[in-house]
Amino acid sequence: GDSVTQMEGPVTLSEEAFLTINCTYTATGYPSLFWYVQYPGEGLQLLLKATKADDKGSNKGFEATYRKETTSFHLEKGSVQVSDSAVYFCALVSGGSYIPTFGRGTSLIVHP
Amino acid sequence: DGGITQSPKYLFRKEGQNVTLSCEQNLNHDAMYWYRQDPGQGLRLIYYSQIVNDFQKGDIAEGYSVSREKKESFPLTVTSAQKNPTAFYLCASRLGQGHNSPLHFGNGTRLTVT
Repeated sequence: GDSVTQMEGPVTLSEEAFLTINCTYTATGYPSLFWYVQYPGEGLQLLLKATKADDKGSNKGFEATYRKETTSFHLEKGSVQVSDSAVYFCALVSGGSYIPTFGRGTSLIVHP
Repeated sequence: DGGITQSPKYLFRKEGQNVTLSCEQNLNHDAMYWYRQDPGQGLRLIYYSQIVNDFQKGDIAEGYSVSREKKESFPLTVTSAQKNPTAFYLCASRLGQGHNSPLHFGNGTRLTVT
């Protein structure tokens, strides 16, 4: 079945540091890939998505590239802010499926 | 603005009581989902519904029940048979059948059972 593996957290960074959160997946066919962000006490929000190989999703300074050859969708940001502190979830939906598959989430803590 | 509304935000119940969590969406989405979130465990799917009057069990359906009588509404009942009901519950919806469409989430209901 489908699965998503994210790096364990928490990831702790200083403000303006470079961020990478790794995400790899296994899936049947060619899934769509998503990153969601969850701030404390809230639901998840879509951060970015990519629907085919080599697509790059981007939003609010975050980027991720759909790499079919390495089955990866790593999240990156060049300069993090304290306000980026949250939990980040990688997810996929396989073609023909109604059921999104989520990673376990990676907590990011950014210090001033 | 369209969105998903979950109510209440916090809910307290005594052990042995059933409790119903509300989820309403005005996004005209066909599919709706209920997830449970526990610390360090990510999201676990309880039930989902692709269309009105139809729903399927997810990975952890035991002790829960749902209904989908209207497109906009997908209430979740946590029954007394659920062994560990204290958790954060998230409702989500999604447009159509294509795998490109993302989930839209409500802000969750935190249920505490004592």
